[in-house]
Amino acid sequence: EIVLTQSPGTLSLSPGEGVTLSCRASQSVISNYLAWFQQKPGQAPRLLIYTASSRATGIPDRFSGSGSGTDFTLAISRLEPEDFAVYYCQQYSSPPYTFGQGTKLEIK
Amino acid sequence: QVQLQESGPGLVKPSQTLSLTCAVSGGSITSGSSYWTWIRQSAGKGLEWIGRIYTNGNTNYNPSLKSRVNISVDTSKNQFSLKLGSVTAADSAVYYCASQSHRYRWGTDVWGQGTTVTVSS
Repeated sequence: EIVLTQSPGTLSLSPGEGVTLSCRASQSVISNYLAWFQQKPGQAPRLLIYTASSRATGIPDRFSGSGSGTDFTLAISRLEPEDFAVYYCQQYSSPPYTFGQGTKLEIK
Repeated sequence: QVQLQESGPGLVKPSQTLSLTCAVSGGSITSGSSYWTWIRQSAGKGLEWIGRIYTNGNTNYNPSLKSRVNISVDTSKNQFSLKLGSVTAADSAVYYCASQSHRYRWGTDVWGQGTTVTVSS
């Protein structure tokens, strides 16, 4: 089973700032089958990024994903108030498809 | 755009079987362009992938649950189902049905709203 470790656990930031979230895998994620999700309270996760760097339909270009192998990042430029949420990475290259424990972005 | 809706009991007694159904609308469950998936989320374990089924009936399960889980498809009703046996309090969670789509290189792009299941006597 691939273990995903996200860092940091929580970030306190202000709207307008930029941020980079990290997701590290315990073994290589084949074909870069790594996704990023955003989850707000009481809602299901929302797909932001698939195959490490491709944005899903309707996702603003201030969200970008990068990385390969075992190290992946999600960058958000110019945080908007609606971006404060919990972000999860997920690998779907090797069952069981595992999730990271999440990074919470909170408003400073 | 495909939409998913979970249904099933919100309360299950320990040792019994949890049964949930996911209704698919806006597309056919037999289209061959999606894997139909169950994921759960609890405060203690975060997001946990339970398993998935393809339209040909092929399944993949999380080894940690494999002995207790079954996912099936009902093409006549355009829905798929989850059964989890011998439940304990540790199985209390929000259960989501979702789809992994070929359009997004098998990323999980569509999620149901989630249904809360509590295991308690």
